[in-house]
Amino acid sequence: GNSVTQMEGPVTLSEEAFLTINCTYTATGYPSLFWYVQYPGEGLQLLLKATKADDKGSNKGFEATYRKETTSFHLEKGSVQVSDSAVYFCALSDRVTSYDKVIFGPGTSLSVIP
Amino acid sequence: NAGVTQTPKFRVLKTGQSMTLLCAQDMNHEYMYWYRQDPGMGLRLIHYSVGEGTTAKGEVPDGYNVSRLKKQNFLLGLESAAPSQTSVYFCVSSYGPGSGNTIYFGEGSWLTVV
Repeated sequence: GNSVTQMEGPVTLSEEAFLTINCTYTATGYPSLFWYVQYPGEGLQLLLKATKADDKGSNKGFEATYRKETTSFHLEKGSVQVSDSAVYFCALSDRVTSYDKVIFGPGTSLSVIP
Repeated sequence: NAGVTQTPKFRVLKTGQSMTLLCAQDMNHEYMYWYRQDPGMGLRLIHYSVGEGTTAKGEVPDGYNVSRLKKQNFLLGLESAAPSQTSVYFCVSSYGPGSGNTIYFGEGSWLTVV
């Protein structure tokens, strides 16, 4: 079945460091890929998305490229800020099933220290 | 612009009690979902609905029931609460099948069963 694997956290970085959170997926169809962010005590918010191979999603300095050949969608940011501390979820939406089944990775906790 | 609204936000139940979580969306979405989020388990789908009057089981449906009598509302019921149902519950909605439709999260309902 479809699945999403993320690098395990927690990840701790100093402010202005480079961030990479790895995400790989398994899917039988042609999924759309998402990154969601969850701040403490809140629901998940869409950070960025990509709907087909080679698409690059970007938002708030974060980027991720849909790589079909490596089945990956790694999240990157060139210079993190303390306000980026949150839990990040990689997810896929499978279009070939009878409904938009969304599968989430387990989440990666990021802490950015000043 | 309310988006997805969940009530209540916090609730403490005794084992064996019943309760209903209400989810309301004002975006005319067809699809609605209930997820639970547990430490180390990520997000797991409980039940979902692809339109008014329809419901279906997700990954972890046992102990829960749902109803979608109106398109904008999706109710999650616990008939006899158990401590294993202590969790954070998220309601999610989306337009429906299609290319990379974004899903929208409610803010979450924190439920504790003692």
